[in-house]
Amino acid sequence: VLTQSPGTLSLSPGERATFSCRASQTVSTTHFAWYQQKPGQAPRLLMHGASTRATGVPDRFSASGSGTDFTLTISGLQPEDFAIYYCQQYADSVWTFGQGTVVDMK
Amino acid sequence: QVQLVESGGGLVKPGGSLRLSCQASGFTFPPFYMSWVRQAPGKGPEWISYIGADYGTNYADSVKGRFTISRDNARNSLYLQMNSLRVEDTGLYYCVRENYGHGDFWGQGTLVTVSS
Repeated sequence: VLTQSPGTLSLSPGERATFSCRASQTVSTTHFAWYQQKPGQAPRLLMHGASTRATGVPDRFSASGSGTDFTLTISGLQPEDFAIYYCQQYADSVWTFGQGTVVDMK
Repeated sequence: QVQLVESGGGLVKPGGSLRLSCQASGFTFPPFYMSWVRQAPGKGPEWISYIGADYGTNYADSVKGRFTISRDNARNSLYLQMNSLRVEDTGLYYCVRENYGHGDFWGQGTLVTVSS
């Protein structure tokens, strides 16, 4: 099970956003990812291997973590960053997603 | 560029069947694993199945025994046969290219509604 916190983060453009994902068991960093989803769109891969940005993802996005605790940080929110963020792990031939963190505009 | 286009969704009664298709283009289809991921209205994504290039498969417990994933490597196509559909199977079904346990490309989804 992946548990994301907080459920909702209300911030202003330019602010730093930090949110977390906690796993109930140790996760392989190779098989840990973050996604961004905007209304009416499919999820978009942001980070994989726990800390590697996917192609085209701006460097204001960074991620870290190992074991059971992982963090995604957006340094300097842009208007297009207001969205829902999901963590995901692959273990025992199964994908599991967190319930998501909503980043909305204050 | 990579494109994944799903089709086959629609309205079906509980207990009914549907077959979803996904046409892949812009990349060499095998050797990639391919997955189906669904999203119920207002909920997060839920992985439901994958298939390897060697046709090995796995399923989420919620669909095991009811859904069957398959692929046609010659046609660059992925399929999902869904039987014994339930109301809780309602959602947007995404075709996803898998890369080391994560989805690096997603289609736009096809909507499945199970309702009497």
